[in-house]
Amino acid sequence: DTGVSQDPRHKITKRGQNVTFRCDPISEHNRLYWYRQTLGQGPEFLTYFQNEAQLEKSRLLSDRFSAERPKGSFSTLEIQRTEQGDSAMYLCASSLGETGTQFFYPGELFFGEGSRLTVL
Amino acid sequence: GQNIDQPTEMTATEGAIVQINCTYQTSGFNGLFWYQQHAGEAPTFLSYNVLDGLEEKGRFSSFLSRSKGYSYLLLKELQMKDSASYLCAVDPSGTYKYIFGTGTRLKVLA
Repeated sequence: DTGVSQDPRHKITKRGQNVTFRCDPISEHNRLYWYRQTLGQGPEFLTYFQNEAQLEKSRLLSDRFSAERPKGSFSTLEIQRTEQGDSAMYLCASSLGETGTQFFYPGELFFGEGSRLTVL
Repeated sequence: GQNIDQPTEMTATEGAIVQINCTYQTSGFNGLFWYQQHAGEAPTFLSYNVLDGLEEKGRFSSFLSRSKGYSYLLLKELQMKDSASYLCAVDPSGTYKYIFGTGTRLKVLA
């Protein structure tokens, strides 16, 4: 399978604990995005990377959130001192960026299945 | 601010045609995407519009009017498997950092 993969798919944790999610994008994609989605809502942008550089971070992303993409390959999203309001689906997506191909628009996002976080 | 509006829910009958509207007010415009999301699954790409007019792709078509800040997704010959949420997303800044609407939950009835 050459799609976007995320791990773990589900995480239940107690308030105050730290959690980390991993995303493996499609290998030739240079852009990687993290979104958060709560029930009945559309995805909300959190941050994105062009290769290993984190180019933008939403103000939704408090200091408890940090994301990395070492070597421009996989990415991790860490949430420290989790709160109940952090409970959501965390979606990772990747795209080709400006290049695109004759088959895919440059901005077409390919989403992973998501990591569902429940904070008790 | 950035705002995208879609109806919350729609219901239609198998075999019928349904139009899902999306209006947007964003600081800029560099393209509009429609995604389909089945319950518990990841969103998948349906269509992309950056110029005014209609884009057709099989049973799905998408229309854009930039002057009106308006798009619609047209689904023809509805099938039960089309029951899903349909997300409208706009790229305001050309950085592919999308603003998503809340989604329209479509129920297709037999």
